[in-house]
Amino acid sequence: GESVGLHLPTLSVQEGDNSIINCAYSNSASDYFIWYKQESGKGPQFIIDIRSNMDKRQGQRVTVLLNKTVKHLSLQIAATQPGDSAVYFCAEKASGTYKYIFGTGTRLKVLA
Amino acid sequence: DSGVTQTPKHLITATGQRVTLRCSPRSGDLSVYWYQQSLDQGLQFLIQYYNGEERAKGNILERFSAQQFPDLHSELNLSSLELGDSALYFCASSVEGANTIYFGEGSWLTVV
Repeated sequence: GESVGLHLPTLSVQEGDNSIINCAYSNSASDYFIWYKQESGKGPQFIIDIRSNMDKRQGQRVTVLLNKTVKHLSLQIAATQPGDSAVYFCAEKASGTYKYIFGTGTRLKVLA
Repeated sequence: DSGVTQTPKHLITATGQRVTLRCSPRSGDLSVYWYQQSLDQGLQFLIQYYNGEERAKGNILERFSAQQFPDLHSELNLSSLELGDSALYFCASSVEGANTIYFGEGSWLTVV
């Protein structure tokens, strides 16, 4: 798999543009999904979540889209700011389980 | 600040040694999770406790063990340490019935 520190896929976005970060999940039985943001040297921070009975959920400047047909999750960040620079992880959880499976992460770089 | 507290923040120890990492969950949270994050892997689930009982087990080595105490704090014990155990160890917590887990800032372990 990808390396968190060295070999993460990287998305570079101009400040003010919209960002789209994608995640393919593995388990068709997963019914709950979370996006986390991890800044350097810090713990993952909850951004937004979505249940499998929804296909879209909006937060403040963020939108999560869920496509269960192709097992795909995306995080859209509007008007990307320098403070959005971080590694973003998706996590999935299957109903009746307590185990969260994390994706490998995407590094977002915001260019001034 | 997520409300999850981890100590120590940084730890350097020699191979073959034993260390204990400590976690205090958010107030009211009964579930505690331990994750390992290393450079060549993403967030790997180790183990979960709920109200003092082990609830789910992931890729936790036999050299590692954990427990959750009556006051709900948890400890992760790592023994016979190897160079490859160098990683960030995260604790997360959640309330019963809630899906979202909140992470602490992690404990950086360096084995030399």
